[in-house]
Parts: sequence; C-alpha cells; structure tokens
Amino acid sequence: EDQVTQSPEALRLQEGESSSLNCSYTVSGLRGLFWYRQDPGKGPEFLFTLYSAGEEKEKERLKATLTKKESFLHITAPKPEDSATYLCAVQAGGGSNYKLTFGKGTLLTVNP
Amino acid sequence: DGGITQSPKYLFRKEGQNVTLSCEQNLNHDAMYWYRQDPGQGLRLIYYSQIVNDFQKGDIAEGYSVSREKKESFPLTVTSAQKNPTAFYLCASRKESTDTQYFGPGTRLTVL
Repeated sequence: EDQVTQSPEALRLQEGESSSLNCSYTVSGLRGLFWYRQDPGKGPEFLFTLYSAGEEKEKERLKATLTKKESFLHITAPKPEDSATYLCAVQAGGGSNYKLTFGKGTLLTVNP
Repeated sequence: DGGITQSPKYLFRKEGQNVTLSCEQNLNHDAMYWYRQDPGQGLRLIYYSQIVNDFQKGDIAEGYSVSREKKESFPLTVTSAQKNPTAFYLCASRKESTDTQYFGPGTRLTVL
C-alpha cells in the first residue's frame, strides 16, 4: 500500500527564516511526486511535479527536491503570504487509474 | 480562463436527503476525480473517471454515486447511505501530458 508521511505537522517561522518541509513516501514504483499549496477553505493549488530522484524544481522562494525515499520543499526567506498548508502526494506507476496518495500536510505559519 | 468550477460553495443537508455536487471543467481533460478532505486527514479518493461514460470506485466510494455523461461534467451525489457526509469535497481533472491533477475550489457539505 502506498504511503506518504509529511513532517512536521506544523511549522512556525519568522519572516526571512528559511526552512524545509519533508515528505517521506513508500510506493510501488514512483510515477510522480506532487506538491500543492492549500489556503484555508480553498482547493489545493499545484506547485511542482517531480518524476525521478535527483530532480529539482524552483518557483520564487520555493524549491522542491526528490530522492528515492523522500522529497523536500525548501522555503527561502519566507514571507507571511507563504503561510498555508503544503500537501505532498505520490502517484504509483503501473495500472491505469493515476491515483494520488496524499499526506496529511504541513501547516506553515510565517510571522511578520 | 480555463479551470474547474464547483458548486455550490456551501451546502447544507438534512439527514436522509440525497444531494448532488457539481463539477465542471473547460480544460479539455479526459480524466476527472472526486476527493474528500476531513480535518487532520489526507485527501481520500471517492470516484474517478478516465473517459466519458466510464467511472471507477476509489477508496471510499460507499454512500456516493457519480455519472459522466459529458467530458466537461462529473457530478457527485452524496446519498443518505453515507454515514458521515460532513466534509470538504474536492473535484480535480488530470492533464494527460504531465499526469498533474488540478483542483476546483471545493464544496463544503454540512449535514444538519
């Protein structure tokens, strides 16, 4: 059974204080790993897709990396508007349903 | 603008009633998904459809039903058989070239 574990559950940072969120996974053949941002009461907003170990992607203050067992979402010099819940999901290879298995998320709060 | 719309944003239901949640997309995606989100839990897959007139049960399909008569539309019915329907419901569609799922804004269902 595919599993995704995100840590920490909650993270509080001061503005400008860089940190990383972790997503550990077990999956029978990774097809893709996805990061989303979710604001309260809204649908998840797509951030990144990573397909293979060693891959990195960046967008503004965010950088996602992938190894064979985990992914990190690095946040550099965060701002209060980066406060949100960050979701990680994996998609297994094989089969045809392209199902995503989600972690429970990390709630990030950035204080001014 | 292309995207996914869900309606209504808030829905209240009395026990014993069936309700239908709307999901429409103009992204020209073949595959569509329904997820349920509860506090402290990851998103869980209810139903998915890879193509018009075809759909499959996800992990928690009991008490739900769907139809897929048009490519653009994938409505979800929450029946009276669903024991704990109060939740945040999210619809998504998948871009085939990247396997990325894009989400709608969600419908919050409350059973009174």
